[in-house]
Amino acid sequence: DIQMTQSPSSLSASVGDTVTLTCRASENIKKFLSWYQQTPGAAPKLLMSSASGLRNGVPSRFSGSGSGTDFSLTINSMQDADFATYYCQQTYKTPYTFGEGTKLDI
Amino acid sequence: QVHLQESGPRLVRPSETLSLTCDVSGGSMRTFYWSWIRQPPGKALEWIGYVYTTGRTNYNPSFKSRVAISVDTSKNEFSLKLTSVTTADTAIYFCARDDTTGVIDYWGQGTLVTVSS
Repeated sequence: DIQMTQSPSSLSASVGDTVTLTCRASENIKKFLSWYQQTPGAAPKLLMSSASGLRNGVPSRFSGSGSGTDFSLTINSMQDADFATYYCQQTYKTPYTFGEGTKLDI
Repeated sequence: QVHLQESGPRLVRPSETLSLTCDVSGGSMRTFYWSWIRQPPGKALEWIGYVYTTGRTNYNPSFKSRVAISVDTSKNEFSLKLTSVTTADTAIYFCARDDTTGVIDYWGQGTLVTVSS
């Protein structure tokens, strides 16, 4: 299975900060990488696919980059609604695998 | 807007079978994969597998032969069966829609299933 490693596991930030989360794959997954946001008690929400493709309705302060094994998710000017846990997922091959998540808190 | 809703027993005894159903509304089931994903409390997400409307399935090998996912398009629903459960199978189980590339674009709210005697 492809292992997905996210760092950091947790990050403290403030409203207005810009933060960058990273995700590393154990092998080359080209750009088959998605990002999800999960708030407590809720289902994950798809933010981005194909490493940098922002989904409809997701604010433009979210951006993604990377290919191969190293990827990042950047949130510019964080808002209250952005404090959540973020997961990356590889969709290069099954079994699809997720990272352990990065928890963003105040 | 596609809506998914899980249903089924919330408590399952060890060694028994976990069974969940997902009702799909607001869109056709055709041309998508229908997936199950779980999340042990406080832990990360784990992909269980998917079913296509033809009945073709793809499972996570970590579940070996314990898992079965089926679909009934006439009822707009799909189901999960996980046999021989242990306490390690305690998790929130999400049903979800896969756009056929592995990207999960719609999720159910999730249901916590506890395995306990």
